[in-house]
Parts: sequence; structure tokens; C-alpha cells
Amino acid sequence: NAGVTQTPKFRVLKTGQSMTLLCAQDMNHEYMYWYRQDPGMGLRLIHYSVGEGTTAKGEVPDGYNVSRLKKQNFLLGLESAAPSQTSVYFCATSDTPTYEQYFGPGTRLTVT
Amino acid sequence: AQSVSQHNHHVILSEAASLELGCNYSYGGTVNLFWYVQYPGQHLQLLLKYFSGDPLVKGIKGFEAEFIKSKFSFNLRKPSVQWSDTAEYFCAVSSYSSASKIIFGSGTRLSIRP
Repeated sequence: NAGVTQTPKFRVLKTGQSMTLLCAQDMNHEYMYWYRQDPGMGLRLIHYSVGEGTTAKGEVPDGYNVSRLKKQNFLLGLESAAPSQTSVYFCATSDTPTYEQYFGPGTRLTVT
Repeated sequence: AQSVSQHNHHVILSEAASLELGCNYSYGGTVNLFWYVQYPGQHLQLLLKYFSGDPLVKGIKGFEAEFIKSKFSFNLRKPSVQWSDTAEYFCAVSSYSSASKIIFGSGTRLSIRP
């Protein structure tokens, strides 16, 4: 029972490159979330999903896209990376929207 | 707009000192309240939660929090901190009007001097 996993753990990109971050969960949760964490700014919600095939914008969605083709996976894409997207990205899941969230280990992304 | 405020950005304490971290929120109506902890280099883990009932909630590792509805507060406390409590602490709030989201505070970094 792995819980919530994220791939990759670390990545360095050049400006303009693209990449996809994968979040996978085996908890059968409907709700999945992508956050970015920056020093002094806490967690900011990028996009979220309330179920397979659905996505919605969070607080800071610009420059990111997401897809939830399967219930257990939530992908975060950067089409053209910018230095401002250097951050630690966390995925989280929950059984209901108002209950606790379970977090993955994070992906540290550096854009040069 | 709905928000969560953690006024202490960085707290430095000596071992065995008592801890209180502040959290205030701006939601109206029924809320669920959480404290998460993030140890250095790790992901966020749930420390404790309040949904209803006794407003004094006990969590893991000797932490507790008190929900004071009239003050819109959910402060985290520990009577005697240890060096291993060095971490970042996040308060979070959800409500049935928050559209499937939990709102996190900006976090408080706790440093414990051995």
C-alpha cells in the first residue's frame, strides 16, 4: 500500500522545456490536488480534480495544465517552463473535499 | 475572501519550553480544522483535526489544539517541546462552502535549540 506517490522526485529544466509530473494513489480517493510550495508562501493550489475525467483551476493555475484520465492518476504538465515555476510540487488526495488530505513526497523542480 | 492566517512566521524555542502557534480563519459557518506538520525534507503529515464535538483536540506526539469559535481561532499547543519538533507547521481550514478545497495558512517554522 504505497499511498500517494510522485514521479519524478527531482528535475532540472531549461526555460521553455516541457515536462509532466505524475501523481499516483492507491487509496481510491475521488479528490486529487496539485500544490506548489515556495518559501514564505505556504501551499498554493494549482489545479484539482473532484473525480475521474474532471479538473478545475485553483489559486495559481497559469502555466500549468492537468489531466485525470484514470481515477488513480493525476498529471501536472508544464508546457513551457519558466524560472518562476521553480518550486516544490506536492500532490494530495482526499476521500471527501472537507476531510484531511494525504500528501505525496513532493517533486523538487528547478527551471534555469 | 476566505483565508487562514498564521501570524508567527518563525518561532525559536529551547527544549522543554511550551509552545503555542496561532491560527485564525475568516470562514463563516461550519468548518473543519487541521494542523499539518512538515519535517525537514519530508511531505506534510496530519498532526490533528477538528470536525465537531470537544473543542480541545489531541493529536500525535503530545500536540493539542483548541477551537474557539467566537475568536475564529484554532491554536496549536504543546507543553514541552523537543528538538525533534523542529519542523514547519501549517494550519488549514475547510468548509462546505469552500468548493472542494482546503485552504492552508502560510506556515510557521519552528526551530528548537537543543
